[in-house]
Amino acid sequence: DAGVTQSPTHLIKTRGQQVTLRCSPKSGHDTVSWYQQALGQGPQFIFQYYEEEERQRGNFPDRFSGHQFPNYSSELNVNALLLGDSALYLCASSFQPADGNYGYTFGSGTRLTVV
Amino acid sequence: RKEVEQDPGPFNVPEGATVAFNCTYSNSASQSFFWYRQDCRKEPKLLMSVYSSGNEDGRFTAQLNRASQYISLLIRDSKLSDSATYLCVVNNYAGGTSYGKLTFGQGTILTVHP
Repeated sequence: DAGVTQSPTHLIKTRGQQVTLRCSPKSGHDTVSWYQQALGQGPQFIFQYYEEEERQRGNFPDRFSGHQFPNYSSELNVNALLLGDSALYLCASSFQPADGNYGYTFGSGTRLTVV
Repeated sequence: RKEVEQDPGPFNVPEGATVAFNCTYSNSASQSFFWYRQDCRKEPKLLMSVYSSGNEDGRFTAQLNRASQYISLLIRDSKLSDSATYLCVVNNYAGGTSYGKLTFGQGTILTVHP
């Protein structure tokens, strides 16, 4: 049973460019959350997708956008990259049962470096 | 004030030592609580859930005090392999049509040396 798959694993971009990161959730999971983890910090919640819609969002600018496809996979897009966007981007998939007791599975992340 | 705050450490302890990590959270409506472990340049992995009654998993003991909004993790008989960053995590799910999301603390670095 495949876990969460993220691609690419590493990426180097130039300031001002745009980037797209991809995530395939664990089999049976229907919800995808994205996190940004800067060096020395805990992961920060970017947004969460369910039924192809963004259903909640953290404190990130509109340069960060996403999408979820019918097969539950997801993309994270970042426009106009800044040096401060350099981080490990983590995707977590989950399934929401009625009691809300989520079981999250994290992908190994995409390490983005902006130069 | 951050939603989840941890003692930043770092903690540098010898093998066999007992080490304790503390964490506080600000949202009194928080519903579920976890400790995650993150190895260098890897993804976070669930170490254990934390329950009000306290729970133990081998050398690891977690405690939750809802009144004080305080979470702790105790590691006994530390091993070299325990060296990692330990993340305190809260899931704010309020039931009904609300949605949960994980909120992480900054993490505490633990190094266990011979």
